[in-house]
This record gives sequence, C-alpha cells and structure tokens, in this order.
Amino acid sequence: ETGVTQSPTHLIKTRGQQVTLRCSSQSGHNTVSWYQQALGQGPQFIFQYYREEENGRGNFPPRFSGLQFPNYSSELNVNALELDDSALYLCASSLDPGGGYGYTFGSGTRLTVV
Amino acid sequence: QKEVEQNSGPLSVPEGAIASLNCTYSDRGSQSFFWYRQYSGKSPELIMFIYSNGDKEDGRFTAQLNKASQYVSLLIRDSQPSDSATYLCAVNEITGGGNKLTFGTGTQLKVEL
Repeated sequence: ETGVTQSPTHLIKTRGQQVTLRCSSQSGHNTVSWYQQALGQGPQFIFQYYREEENGRGNFPPRFSGLQFPNYSSELNVNALELDDSALYLCASSLDPGGGYGYTFGSGTRLTVV
Repeated sequence: QKEVEQNSGPLSVPEGAIASLNCTYSDRGSQSFFWYRQYSGKSPELIMFIYSNGDKEDGRFTAQLNKASQYVSLLIRDSQPSDSATYLCAVNEITGGGNKLTFGTGTQLKVEL
C-alpha cells in the first residue's frame, strides 16, 4: 500500500509568480484535501476534492485553485504569489469526503516566496 | 469561527512519566476528533481518533473525550525521548459536501532523560 506522495519537496518562487504543487493519494483513497501550515501554527484547510470537483473550501482567496484527476491525484495552484504564502503545503487523502477514519498526510511541499 | 484550543507548551516530562495533553473545541456538533504527532520539519502523523465519550486506548496512548465539556485529551504512558514532538488536536467538521479538519496550534512535548 503506497502512502501519500507530494512533489516537489521544496520550492522557491518570486512574489507575483504562479506555482503548481502535486499530490498522489494513498491507494484506495478517493478524496484529497489541501492544507497550509505556517510556521508555529496548525494546518489550515484550503479545500477538498472529491470526484474531480471542489467539495468544500476554507477561507482562502480564489487565487488558490485546484484540480483532481480520474486517478484521484490532485494539484494545488497558487497565482500571484505573496510573501505570506510562504508555508508548508500539505496534501491529505481519505477514504471518503467524511474523513471518518482519518486523513493521511503527505510529506508536504515547503514553499518560500521571496 | 469554530476554534480548537491547545496549550502551546512546551510541556516537559521526565522519561517514563505520563504526559497529558489537552484540547478544547467550540463546536458542540463535532463528532470525531483526532490526535496527530508532528516532528519538526515533518508532516502530521495520525496517532488516534475518537468518536465516543470515554477513553480509547492504543498501546501507550489513551485518548479521552468529554463532549459535554467539549474537551479531548491524550495521555502518553511511559514517555520516551522519541515522543518529543508537537501534538496536534484536530476536530472533523462539516464543510460543503465533505468534512475538514480544524486544528489547534499544537502542544510541544519534550521528554527529558
């Protein structure tokens, strides 16, 4: 059974640029959620994807967008990067949108915006 | 704004002692609760989840839930230096068509030799 994999592990971008982060869900999991974790804080929910559609969204602006593919993998896109977007971005997969049996997190992508 | 509150610590305990980590939440409708462990620079790792009032034990870990008091705790028995990490309490909440985790800021645990 494979776990959740994310790429890249680290990324440095300039303010105003765009970035795409990728995630492959754990085998058997059909739901992917994305979280942003700033230093010293708990992860903050960005959005969830299920059946290739956004299934719930946190308090993030529209420049944060995503996709889910038929194989359940997912992308997070951030446009017009700001310095405050520097954070650890975590992908979490679950058996279903309810997440009742927990969410498995990937190792994360550390994004630095300069 | 639904909230999850944790004492940021650090909580220091000697090796072999019991570590007690606490969490309160604001949404009375919450049904499921999770404890994650996060080592510095790493991603959160699920330790336990609990749905029902009372205690749930798994090895050295015991989760306790009191929905009337909106209180969740995690006990770690026979604490080891390898338990030193940040422990995140999370509440599973409905959002849109699915659920999301709302996390506390985490409690840093230090197990000292």
